[in-house]
Amino acid sequence: DQQVKQNSPSLSVQEGRISILNCDYTNSMFDYFLWYKKYPAEGPTFLISISSIKDKNEDGRFTVFLNKSAKHLSLHIVPSQPGDSAVYFCAASGEGGSEKLVFGKGTKLTVNP
Amino acid sequence: DAGITQSPRHKVTETGTPVTLRCHQTENHRYMYWYRQDPGHGLRLIHYSYGVKDTDKGEVSDGYSVSRSKTEDFLLTLESATSSQTSVYFCATSWGREVTEAFFGQGTRLTVV
Repeated sequence: DQQVKQNSPSLSVQEGRISILNCDYTNSMFDYFLWYKKYPAEGPTFLISISSIKDKNEDGRFTVFLNKSAKHLSLHIVPSQPGDSAVYFCAASGEGGSEKLVFGKGTKLTVNP
Repeated sequence: DAGITQSPRHKVTETGTPVTLRCHQTENHRYMYWYRQDPGHGLRLIHYSYGVKDTDKGEVSDGYSVSRSKTEDFLLTLESATSSQTSVYFCATSWGREVTEAFFGQGTRLTVV
């Protein structure tokens, strides 16, 4: 049973517009959420995170929103740039105090010039 | 860059042979993880370690074993490789408690023929 779900395998947006990537989770014990970006033939790199005690965290063009009641988080990228084209993974941790990171399947973002 | 080195970067092996992948870190991170990435499955946790000689299973641990005799090294062993273990393997490390951003290595592409 998948605990972290990214239901959109791909997303295509125009340069300069907003990209919104979504993630749902099923385990209410998760207390920390992260987004990673991955380019082909490279390891994932950390992008932004949010604690369960917050509902928003912003870092430059990237903002993560957390809706605990809906068990939903989203990553907003504004404005989107062609260099943002990558696979984005949502991850969660904290179940039972564990540092184990559980990942979703990823969403491939393509930003068209 | 958290100083994570995976070796080898590429390997082709025959079914039934033992294979060991090595992850070496220079950051003294407490936590270390092994993930595999497969199309349609995202990143799935195989095993993780929360200290020297302290390890635990992830969601896809069958057919894999790990060892951590030193803080800096985390070994993943396939006792008898099968074609289903053809994948890209990523090692990750993190500081641990309350700082759960994990840093990833470049990956090892393993092909079992």
